[in-house]
This record gives sequence, C-alpha cells and structure tokens, in this order.
Amino acid sequence: GAVVSQHPSRVICKSGTSVKIECRSLDFQATTMFWYRQFPKQSLMLMATSNEGSKATYEQGVEKDKFLINHASLTLSTLTVTSAHPEDSSFYICSTRSGFEQYFGPGTRLTVT
Amino acid sequence: TQLLEQSPQFLSIQEGENLTVYCNSSSVFSSLQWYRQEPGEGPVLLVTVVTGGEVKKLKRLTFQFGDARKDSSLHITAAQPGDTGLYLCAGDSQGAQKLVFGQGTRLTINP
Repeated sequence: GAVVSQHPSRVICKSGTSVKIECRSLDFQATTMFWYRQFPKQSLMLMATSNEGSKATYEQGVEKDKFLINHASLTLSTLTVTSAHPEDSSFYICSTRSGFEQYFGPGTRLTVT
Repeated sequence: TQLLEQSPQFLSIQEGENLTVYCNSSSVFSSLQWYRQEPGEGPVLLVTVVTGGEVKKLKRLTFQFGDARKDSSLHITAAQPGDTGLYLCAGDSQGAQKLVFGQGTRLTINP
C-alpha cells in the first residue's frame, strides 16, 4: 500500500499562533489528499479534501479560513491551523487514495495551550 | 448524509474467545474498508471488500460484505491480546470518493 508521512508528529503551540502540518505521499503521486480530525475516543471526521493545483473542498462546518490547505505538488499537502485555540487541540491525520483504498499517515497530535 | 453504525462500540473479552463486530447502513457503498488503529497512530488498512457477499480472510480475521453492500462484519477467532485496538469500518460512498467512518469498536483482549 501507499506510504504516507506526516510532520511534525507532535506540536504544542500557544493560543493565537498558527501551526503548519505537512503530509507527504512517499511512493506515488497523489492528486487528492484527505485531512481528518480525531478527538479522543472518537472516530475520524473528514475535514477537507485537498486537490493538487486547485482549491480544497471543505466539509460542512469546517472553517476554510481557519484551516488553510495547500496542495502545491503531487506529493505534498499542508494544513495550517490559524489563530489556534485550545478547542483545536486534536489528532490530525492525512490520507491518500489509490483505487478503492485509502492509506493514512501516522497523525499529528496538536496541543494548544 | 450516509451513516455507518458500528457495534459494539466497546468490547472486552478473554483471550481465546471469538467475537464479531458489525457495521450497518441504510446506504449502499461501492466498497468498504476495515482499519485497525493503535493509540497515537494513524489507521492501518486491514482489508477492502468490494463485491456483495464477498468474504475475505486474514489469518484469524474474517471479513464479510453484505449481499446488498450495505453492511459488513468482522469476525475474530481465538482472540489474542495482540488484537487489542480500535477497529474502524469505513464505507466508500458511490461517486463521491469520500470515506464515511463508523464510530469504531474499542476491543480489549484480556490475557
């Protein structure tokens, strides 16, 4: 299956600052990547679909101005959490798709203090 | 909105017992995936089922896709402590290429 990496694996930031999370598809070119958020003891919630060379598609209720997504190349998508608040603390996971199957990165634990 | 109801949400059993996790929906899915997730890590794909009625086996794990492609089950035989984890089913909505996740089943196998 596809190999997906994320950086950083953990980040702690102060309220009001911005944080950038990188997602890389290591072994194939991904025109589409997906960003999920997972709160403790809950399942994954799709935030947005990242499309290479065009604007991301956001799920209902997800603020596009707060969660900026850039998919500038076929192997890299970034998620920037702007003006972070403690309620943005969560586990953020990206994934790529190959045929029917979706492969996930190892996740980024964001803690906003 | 397509929903996947996964049950049970929590299951704690003794080593050696058998168990089944269910994933049900009123919607038809073009495919369904099962994932296992360890704490602090991303989900790892276990299997993808595509054809109605399909059965796939992965060692002691048996996955079945319903004939109507609306439901699926995961059966584990002779559970072992290493099977402990969060199991997630996810359906691929037809035409949308977006996964819809179930709530997850947190499985604990006690030695």
